[in-house]
Amino acid sequence: EPEVTQTPSHQVTQMGQEVILRCVPISNHLYFYWYRQILGQKVEFLVSFYNNEISEKSEIFDDQFSVERPDGSNFTLKIRSTKLEDSAMYFCASRKTGGDEKLFFGSGTQLSVL
Amino acid sequence: AQSVTQLDSQVPVFEEAPVELRCNYSSSVSVYLFWYVQYPNQGLQLLLKYLSGSTLVESINGFEAEFNKSQTSFHLRKPSVHISDTAEYFCAVKNGGATNKLIFGTGTLLAVQP
Repeated sequence: EPEVTQTPSHQVTQMGQEVILRCVPISNHLYFYWYRQILGQKVEFLVSFYNNEISEKSEIFDDQFSVERPDGSNFTLKIRSTKLEDSAMYFCASRKTGGDEKLFFGSGTQLSVL
Repeated sequence: AQSVTQLDSQVPVFEEAPVELRCNYSSSVSVYLFWYVQYPNQGLQLLLKYLSGSTLVESINGFEAEFNKSQTSFHLRKPSVHISDTAEYFCAVKNGGATNKLIFGTGTLLAVQP
């Protein structure tokens, strides 16, 4: 079965540094998402992306966050100036069409901000 | 606002015993309900879903869940678990409107012991 690929699996960074989390969605999928899970808490929606623009974002997704699909293959999440509370597991997901409810998730990137 | 509650953070069970993982949701509109499973070091995978029709839905590996509107529940059950079922299980809700995001619970770790 096709997979959503996320790199790196673990990322350690210093507070205030910029990080870019990378995702390669399934090739014929059109809808892309980022979710995150802080240890012991719920998996939270961050942002959805369709047709090269953000379709919805949560309150968590403030000006420090941005997403990009630079080359038709990768889908990236950038955090400009990381904070300690950004430490979490970040999941990328993709979906084929608007009528298809099945989301395919990547295995996640564990971000640790020190 | 929609929300999902998974009361049990961890459920230990012996192999071949039955198990029920509880999920309650809150929503004022029609809902789609999902169970996702996360095996160690892997991404979230769709286990089963309720969109409409029969309130009892089944997965290919023996799990089933029943949508109960009066009790606002979507509990996951399996009559006989295997060691390989050890994983984190997430209940999620999505409304039937324009938004595409999933609202997840905090997850339940199913720990199957020999």
